[in-house]
Amino acid sequence: GAVVSQHPSWVICKSGTSVKIECRSLDFQATTMFWYRQFPKQSLMLMATSNEGSKATYEQGVEKDKFLINHASLTLSTLTVTSAHPEDSSFYICSASRGGSGNTIYFGEGSWLTVV
Amino acid sequence: QKEVEQDPGPLSVPEGAIVSLNCTYSNSAFQYFMWYRQYSRKGPELLMYTYSSGNKEDGRFTAQVDKSSKYISLFIRDSQPSDSATYLCAMSSAGGTSYGKLTFGQGTILTVHP
Repeated sequence: GAVVSQHPSWVICKSGTSVKIECRSLDFQATTMFWYRQFPKQSLMLMATSNEGSKATYEQGVEKDKFLINHASLTLSTLTVTSAHPEDSSFYICSASRGGSGNTIYFGEGSWLTVV
Repeated sequence: QKEVEQDPGPLSVPEGAIVSLNCTYSNSAFQYFMWYRQYSRKGPELLMYTYSSGNKEDGRFTAQVDKSSKYISLFIRDSQPSDSATYLCAMSSAGGTSYGKLTFGQGTILTVHP
């Protein structure tokens, strides 16, 4: 069964509003989680590294004020897309690993965001 | 030049065929190599994981890594229609908590027809 869960799977929001996506590790603690974005027919692009108890680390070109990441517990990271616009419509996926190097990296089922 | 190059296909094969999927990369620091399968509108599912160079076999799947050539492959034997999906290669260079930072190829769309 799934070891990393995302919610919601689908969300439609109006332009200008904010949307929160949750990523949970179900049976293990994850001090680090990762957020990816995937546009249609494109590959996954790393957006940011979510660190439990500290600030997220964003990849170059990703607006940290637009994509707010909070990792308040060892099993939950949230991504909030603020003031969403149609160009933010995408598939957002999180991942987590049970441990350090060499351990399996699990991905969530992803969250489809459509901004209208 | 992208760090990881993967032929996007699409690739169409008859059931029972051997499928070969490949990726090349430019970053010599990559140490961990993975293949994921992704069905439409779903999260990636890990198929194979290899550390450094070598071969690994799991059922109908064989992963090969040639670090000297910066080239990795995934072979699928006796392909089935249920193998139809997008296959993504992924790589990581770092250890510790940064281990999970993956660089993906573009993905190859595979269709296995009966």
